[in-house]
Amino acid sequence: AQSVAQPEDQVNVAEGNPLTVKCTYSVSGNPYLFWYVQYPNRGLQFLLKYITGDNLVKGSYGFEAEFNKSQTSFHLKKPSARVSDSALYFCAVRDADRGSTLGRLYFGRGTQLTVWP
Amino acid sequence: GAGVSQSPSNKVTEKGKDVELRCDPISGHTALYWYRQSLGQGLEFLIYFQGNSAPDKSGLPSDRFSAERTGGSVSTLTIQRTQQEDSAVYLCASRFDRGGYTFGSGTRLTVV
Repeated sequence: AQSVAQPEDQVNVAEGNPLTVKCTYSVSGNPYLFWYVQYPNRGLQFLLKYITGDNLVKGSYGFEAEFNKSQTSFHLKKPSARVSDSALYFCAVRDADRGSTLGRLYFGRGTQLTVWP
Repeated sequence: GAGVSQSPSNKVTEKGKDVELRCDPISGHTALYWYRQSLGQGLEFLIYFQGNSAPDKSGLPSDRFSAERTGGSVSTLTIQRTQQEDSAVYLCASRFDRGGYTFGSGTRLTVV
């Protein structure tokens, strides 16, 4: 069965410092991994995804994530945090594109990122 | 439209009443998903549609919850005899074939 863990409910970081939001996953086949961001009273916005290829994936707003197969991790990173990055971040893994669950996303519980000035 | 549209954006209802939540996906998107976001619970899968059929209803929490999709487009999630624990944000997402997912802004349901 597919599952995602985000071990930190909250991450606090000073503006200008690097940030990391952690995610580990469990899948039965090849992992298709995603990061989404949610601002207050808004839906989920896509940040980046890993399907295949380079382990370092670059996404929107200067975010990147590193796929580590041996550690089954897909941590979200940004070299220099901004106050506007403060939001709720979700890691997700996708089910296989077959059968009755076609492409269903399994989400972590979310990590609230706060960047203080 | 350009995105996934959900209505209403906010709904306050009395316990025991029925509610209908609407999702209007991106035109041409064949797959449609409903999720529920409760405080501290993350996103919980409810149901998946491919066209008008629902191959996966495994996430519906009880028989008070049902959903339908007509014309391969608009979907309605119905909650009968609402309970306070149904209070949450209900999110809809659509997807074309094997493409990316687009989420709506959600419906915030409050049962009082």
